[in-house]
Amino acid sequence: EVQLVESGGGLVQPGGSLRLSCAASGFTVSNYGMFWVRQPPGKGPEWVSGINYSGGSIFYADSVKGRFTISRDGSKNTLYLQMNNLRAEDTARYYCAKAYSSGFYSYFENWGQGTPVTVSS
Amino acid sequence: EIVLTQSPGTLSLSPGERATLSCRASQSVISGHLAWYQQKPGQAPRLLIYATSNRATGIPDRFSGSGSGTDFILTISRLEPADFAVYYCQQYGSSPLTFGQGTKLEIK
Repeated sequence: EVQLVESGGGLVQPGGSLRLSCAASGFTVSNYGMFWVRQPPGKGPEWVSGINYSGGSIFYADSVKGRFTISRDGSKNTLYLQMNNLRAEDTARYYCAKAYSSGFYSYFENWGQGTPVTVSS
Repeated sequence: EIVLTQSPGTLSLSPGERATLSCRASQSVISGHLAWYQQKPGQAPRLLIYATSNRATGIPDRFSGSGSGTDFILTISRLEPADFAVYYCQQYGSSPLTFGQGTKLEIK
């Protein structure tokens, strides 16, 4: 059974940093495309970043480009999102999601329960 | 960027009725790469439909998807109490991957 468990969210001041983790089980993260999707309070989901199986293709939404970095550790079967220079508009619940295939152009087949990030002074 | 516009914003129906939700894209969705998700309060979105019309694992056949190009439809043939939720469409044919703003299906 596929499971995704996010952690690392919390309250941070504007300009601060956080590192989100997504521990995967039931599959190997290095064999699939993986994503971060966020959902601001009361709004719809927004794709943030994605990485293909090889790590050779990495994409970011324009709103986070240059501030966020997606990565993974195959030995820990874990996906990460390093978030720097956080802004109030980054406040959201952050979900980790698995692609149905190895590529980037995918729907989100499985989701974690999310971890909340609040950027406020 | 492909903008997805969902309508209506809110749909009020009774159990047993048929629901028709629309998702219109600002440009053609490559290869019909359009998915639908259901989200209930406090839960993550759940995949319902992928590639326009394919039901995800475990999704009952009262859910169906159709469409092509820029116009897509999610139909729920006979509403059950558990179906009242928010529904989102998402295109994955081009970057950035984008979602619609959602349709809230509420009990009348």
